[in-house]
Amino acid sequence: GAVVSQHPSRVICKSGTSVKIECRSLDFQATTMFWYRQFPKKSLMLMATSNEGSKATYEQGVEKDKFLINHASLTLSTLTVTSAHPEDSSFYICSARKSYGYTFGSGTRLTVV
Amino acid sequence: GESVGLHLPTLSVQEGDNSIINCAYSNSASDYFIWYKQESGKGPQFIIDIRSNMDKRQGQRVTVLLNKTVKHLSLQIAATQPGDSAVYFCAENIGYSTLTFGKGTMLLVSP
Repeated sequence: GAVVSQHPSRVICKSGTSVKIECRSLDFQATTMFWYRQFPKKSLMLMATSNEGSKATYEQGVEKDKFLINHASLTLSTLTVTSAHPEDSSFYICSARKSYGYTFGSGTRLTVV
Repeated sequence: GESVGLHLPTLSVQEGDNSIINCAYSNSASDYFIWYKQESGKGPQFIIDIRSNMDKRQGQRVTVLLNKTVKHLSLQIAATQPGDSAVYFCAENIGYSTLTFGKGTMLLVSP
């Protein structure tokens, strides 16, 4: 149990376009999901906390207009990278909190060219 | 042996050896700790967790030790196998809120 599906696993987009990443909890309801960013050979950095039915809470330094988060249902949170630039290229990972722990998605490799 | 440099600290062991990966956590108020394994290009995978009211917890081939006095966490892997090669992260949590991840250690297991 406690499976989180993240899609797509990798995406290449052109500068200036927007990309949406989906995070779904498949077998449980997640009122809270988290979005992380990870650079090569670095740790996971929390970007924002996504709360179902309310606005996301962003970490300091993360542009909320750049990284739009929507958590419209108890099983789906989306992260949209708007007007993407090459410096947005990274590995993005979502996580969902269940009653007894945290489960992570498989990550999305975003490359902006 | 273990090496620390500009990149992730790396622990290199031989297959069959026991591995010990260390983590210094930052917040003395943290009450829940988790070890994750991350393979290249994948998300973190849960290994074992421990609450602050314990100092040791064992799983299958893995043991986590918690020393709150010095804010130190360790992960012991018995009879390390090539499939254990990955990056290992500790994470700390207060009141079941957000997780804060440590820097990570790369474990390389040679056959």
